[in-house]
This record gives sequence, C-alpha cells and structure tokens, in this order.
Amino acid sequence: EVQLVESGGDLVKPGGSLRLSCAASGFDFSGYTMNWVRQAPGKGLEWVSSITSRSTSISYADSLRGRFTISRDNAKNSLYLQMNSLRAEDTAVYYCARLEGFDISGHYGLIFDSWGRGTLVTVSS
Amino acid sequence: EIVMTQSPDTLSVSLGERATLSCRASQSVSSDLAWFQQKPGQAPRLLIYGASTRATGVPARFSGSGSGTEFTLTISSLQSEDFAVYYCQQYNNWPPWTFGQGTKVEIK
Repeated sequence: EVQLVESGGDLVKPGGSLRLSCAASGFDFSGYTMNWVRQAPGKGLEWVSSITSRSTSISYADSLRGRFTISRDNAKNSLYLQMNSLRAEDTAVYYCARLEGFDISGHYGLIFDSWGRGTLVTVSS
Repeated sequence: EIVMTQSPDTLSVSLGERATLSCRASQSVSSDLAWFQQKPGQAPRLLIYGASTRATGVPARFSGSGSGTEFTLTISSLQSEDFAVYYCQQYNNWPPWTFGQGTKVEIK
C-alpha cells in the first residue's frame, strides 16, 4: 500500500523558515516524480513544486519567487520542502503527492494518484 | 497558465438524486482532466482521470465526460459518503498543474 506521511509543520513567525518532510513507503520511491501541493484554510488546492525521480528537473509555482526549495533523498525514501522568508499567505496544509503515469489509449498523462494526509504550516506573529 | 473554473460553487442535492458538476478550462486541455474528491480533514482522492476513466475502486455512480475546455462530473445517485468538495485539475500543460476552485456538494 502506498503511504505518504508528511511532517514538520509548525507555527512560525513571518520571515522565518521551516523544513517539511514526506516519508514514502509501499512503492519504489526512486522511480517517481514527487510534488508538494498546498491548501490554505478554507481554500482550494495549489500546486507548489515538483521534482523528478533523479532530481534532474525541478519546478516551482511562480508565486513562490525563489523562497522554497524542494529536494529528495531516494536512499531514505524521503521528500523535503525547505521554506524560507515565510509569509502569512503561506499558511496552509502542505500535501506530498505522487505523480503516476497513465496510458489511456496511447495517450500518456501524469496524474496525482496518491496523497499524504498533510502537515499544517501556520505563519503568524 | 491554464485557469480552471468550476460551477457551481455549492450544489445542494438530496440523497439518491443526481449531481452534475461542471469544469471549464481557459484553453483546450484535450482529455487531460482529473477529478478529485476531498472530505473534511482528509487528503484529496483521485476519482477520474483522462476526463472519463474511473480510478481504481471508484464506484460506477461516478462518471466523467467532456474534452477540450468543457468537462462534467456526474454522480448518478448521491450516497451519504459522497457529500464532499470536488476539484477538477488539468495535466495537459505543466508546470503549473492547475486546479479548479472546487464545488461543494451538500445535503439538501
């Protein structure tokens, strides 16, 4: 069974830093592109960042403006998100999500098929 | 960036009734459209991908249709466990992967 367990969420002051972790099990972590997706209180889902299986390609939402860094350790089956210069608008539940490839009648797509339960980050003075 | 817009924001439905949720993309996403269900305090759950293919374990009362810019999620007969928020998401043009704002299905 695929399991993704996030940790590291906390209350932090504006301008502070935090490092989130996601522990993966039940699948070959080193073979998958992994992502962070966040959800502000009472709001919708927002993709944050993505990292390919060998960390060769990394992407971020434009809104982050270089404040966040995604990384992974395949030997430890873990995904990370280093968050710096935190702002009140970064307050959200942060989910770890796996991208799985699906072939539908010869058309290939990458889909968020498994999610963790999330970890809450609160940025407030 | 492709903007996804869902309607309505809230849908009030009685048990056993049909629910129809809509999703529109700001440009064509072909059939690269997924639907997710999210219950309070839980992670999103993949329901539909490829606009119309049910994910493993998803009941047959859930069906998806559409292509290009207009998509529909239909729940044929609402069960108590179906009351939740539903999100559409495109995976045709990324990054970024983008989600709709969600439709809340509530008990009438």
